[in-house]
Amino acid sequence: QSVLTQPPSVAGAPGQRVTISCTGTSTNIGADYDVHWYQQLPGTVPKLLIYGNSNRPSGVPDRFSGSKSGTSASLAITGLQAEDEADYYCQSYDSSLSMYVFGGGTKVTVL
Amino acid sequence: QVQLVQSGAEVKKPGSSVKVSCKASGITYTYYAISWVRQAPGQGLEWMGGIMPGFGTPKYPQNVQGRVTITADESTRTAYMELSSLTSEDTAVYYCARELPTGSPFPFDFWGQGTLVTVSS
Repeated sequence: QSVLTQPPSVAGAPGQRVTISCTGTSTNIGADYDVHWYQQLPGTVPKLLIYGNSNRPSGVPDRFSGSKSGTSASLAITGLQAEDEADYYCQSYDSSLSMYVFGGGTKVTVL
Repeated sequence: QVQLVQSGAEVKKPGSSVKVSCKASGITYTYYAISWVRQAPGQGLEWMGGIMPGFGTPKYPQNVQGRVTITADESTRTAYMELSSLTSEDTAVYYCARELPTGSPFPFDFWGQGTLVTVSS
């Protein structure tokens, strides 16, 4: 049971827009801690995709965007491409647990 | 460029310990915290703790505190994660990752290649 809740899977056709939610509580996302997002392609190491809720590291396409409101955050992928098939994880910090916490991950499938 | 190179795969017996290393290059070592994250087969990511080389004490999550020990050797730019009293549930890929000092919490911007630890009798 992950501290941050993500849908297990989302799917979309090429070119479509998909969003992944990350729901927390008042002790993590709602406590104004940043949310980061990671992409893990099959068989590879996780890669930082979005940091500080909405910032993209150099080299990350602007098709990926992040937002945060209240106790939740979202990752949006516009213009979905076959190469976007991967697992996506959100991450934040929980003050009651005193630890970094991750969501359970969301598998994105391109139909 | 930044590189984190981890030690090789390990096979351990239940009840034993494992120590994984993570050697950094391309960064000013003592300026960045290093965290450890594990991923069990087919599962998600779990933070195991972290350390700021040369500063302060390591930090651990409650669920592994007492079993995990994270250290750092500044002279060799290497961080270590030792996990004791291993059970089959500790079978996982263990990653080290650099914490980018921006925001709160810090994101993990560079990752090691991962070390598979298999616990089996």
